[in-house]
Amino acid sequence: EPEVTQTPSHQVTQMGQEVILRCVPISNHLYFYWYRQILGQKVEFLVSFYNNEISEKSEIFDDQFSVERPDGSNFTLKIRSTKLEDSAMYFCASSGRGSGGPRTDTQYFGPGTRLTVL
Amino acid sequence: KQEVTQIPAALSVPEGENLVLNCSFTDSAIYNLQWFRQDPGKGLTSLLLIQSSQREQTSGRLNASLDKSSGRSTLYIAASQPGDSATYLCVTQGGSEKLVFGKGTKLTVNP
Repeated sequence: EPEVTQTPSHQVTQMGQEVILRCVPISNHLYFYWYRQILGQKVEFLVSFYNNEISEKSEIFDDQFSVERPDGSNFTLKIRSTKLEDSAMYFCASSGRGSGGPRTDTQYFGPGTRLTVL
Repeated sequence: KQEVTQIPAALSVPEGENLVLNCSFTDSAIYNLQWFRQDPGKGLTSLLLIQSSQREQTSGRLNASLDKSSGRSTLYIAASQPGDSATYLCVTQGGSEKLVFGKGTKLTVNP
């Protein structure tokens, strides 16, 4: 069964450094997402991406963050100048295209990348 | 702003018991509601998706109901097994693509 994959599974970085989290969505999906979960907190939406541009973003997704689909298979989240409060589990998700658009499709989640900022 | 609340936060039951997990949400203008399962190190898995026009969905031993007008959903698990131990998340989707998550109910099924 197709699945979303994410690398690395755990990333440790120093405060102020840049990190890139990588995701390979399910191959025929068209909609891509990033969410994060701070330890002990709810999963929170960061951004959605369709047709090579951001379609929606949350207030968390400020200028520190960027997303890119550099080729036909990868989807990346870049965090510039990391802060201690960026420590969280970051989940990538993708969905296909049901007849009613993205809201009729389940989003399939990857296993997550645990980011630790020291 | 949509808020999703789940009760209880944690639940421990003996194997074989039937159980109900509860979810409430503040904005009834949802497009769909899902129940996800979260296992450590394995991401999030959608169990059931209920469109706003539906009242319930069933999959195997799982049954989810939706009462949109009162802002409530329940997940019923029949004949629980140790393999059902996980955190169960109630998730709504409104007029956009983003999913809004509850904090979850951590279920432990004891053999």
